[in-house]
Amino acid sequence: EAQVTQNPRYLITVTGKKLTVTCSQNMNHEYMSWYRQDPGLGLRQIYYSMNVEVTDKGDVPEGYKVSRKEKRNFPLILESPSPNQTSLYFCASSLRMGQASNQPQHFGDGTRLSIL
Amino acid sequence: GENVEQHPSTLSVQEGDSAVIKCTYSDSASNYFPWYKQELGKGPQLIIDIRSNVGEKKDQRIAVTLNKTAKHFSLHITETQPEDSAVYFCAASMGGFQKLVFGTGTRLLVSP
Repeated sequence: EAQVTQNPRYLITVTGKKLTVTCSQNMNHEYMSWYRQDPGLGLRQIYYSMNVEVTDKGDVPEGYKVSRKEKRNFPLILESPSPNQTSLYFCASSLRMGQASNQPQHFGDGTRLSIL
Repeated sequence: GENVEQHPSTLSVQEGDSAVIKCTYSDSASNYFPWYKQELGKGPQLIIDIRSNVGEKKDQRIAVTLNKTAKHFSLHITETQPEDSAVYFCAASMGGFQKLVFGTGTRLLVSP
């Protein structure tokens, strides 16, 4: 089954304790992206990757890191989490993005992070 | 800046009525406009999309219209059913087409 898988689905942790949210897709997609969803603000892009070893900042990258060493994986790293990073996070992938070739993005089911 | 405005934020209709959700975008170069439906506890799922070379697209009870001149696009759901109740997001491609910028969402409630 074609899917985007995020882990963990839920996490409660404390300020300053490094954490990683994993994202994996099995559709051989070139493009991957991380979003956070907050009430009244919709989905805001954190980082995206056009392909392996190519990453770029989205609209709200502060406090986050990503890497794209393999095509299928795109982990989101919070080196020193703070309470304002409490949110619902979504990973998405697309066959490709860019100019006339934009393809639909497929989303995982989300990771709810609570930073105390 | 790059933004997408979405209205209304909540919409309540009776089963069988039509529902319309409207979005405006800021970047005249945007060329791809998807709509997503998000059910409780799930990630957004694509329901329909339209590209800038098309003015309207239909898929059964769902249709999307695009007015490039006014930078508006809208989602139309006819003969609404309770299972249409969800949060709907519009989006537009921006940033040299390398990303999607999302609206703030519309919570649709369809009452039996």
